[in-house]
Amino acid sequence: GAGVSQSPRYKVAKRGQDVALRCDPISGHVSLFWYQQALGQGPEFLTYFQNEAQLDKSGLPSDRFFAERPEGSVSTLKIQRTQQEDSAVYLCASRETSGDVTGELFFGEGSRLTVL
Amino acid sequence: GNSVTQMEGPVTLSEEAFLTINCTYTATGYPSLFWYVQYPGEGLQLLLKATKADDKGSNKGFEATYRKETTSFHLEKGSVQVSDSAVYFCALRGHGNQFYFGTGTSLTVIP
Repeated sequence: GAGVSQSPRYKVAKRGQDVALRCDPISGHVSLFWYQQALGQGPEFLTYFQNEAQLDKSGLPSDRFFAERPEGSVSTLKIQRTQQEDSAVYLCASRETSGDVTGELFFGEGSRLTVL
Repeated sequence: GNSVTQMEGPVTLSEEAFLTINCTYTATGYPSLFWYVQYPGEGLQLLLKATKADDKGSNKGFEATYRKETTSFHLEKGSVQVSDSAVYFCALRGHGNQFYFGTGTSLTVIP
């Protein structure tokens, strides 16, 4: 597609429910990132994929958070047993290459999760 | 560690006013620096970047100069327009693949 596509755009979950957020990066982009953006804050790094390999998951806040990119294109961020503090906008970004330190990140519009 | 501190908003300016949004950083090594902009209802998009000391990034009338001596990357525009109303994020990329973002500065330009 022309840009990074995320779905759903909005998700309301009851505390304790599991949620899955999908990211469809720009076709051919090697690198894919997930960020969490709390209200009034900047994006915070969650995890990074190079193709299908998850090379960095140091930002995942707990073992309730899990991300995958099995075929090196679409990625899913799963949050189990959601808590109210998980309420945030989850941003996906992709980059064409992995080695270019100046490479631009292309962001999706985000998935806004509200946990009641 | 790596971090970015940027001027808190919100900032409200009249059309054609001069804009400065301050950004300072802490990093090991020599990071690349970026300004991203988020227009209402849209995703973040790159505004400009600089990859080494004394580089000046520019786009759409916005400029920022990578100042290693003051660890700063302030965003400036000489004459803002209503269409510049958005949230602006300063960011750095150090070693590895993580980007570190500031908290964002909301700009509203009134006619």
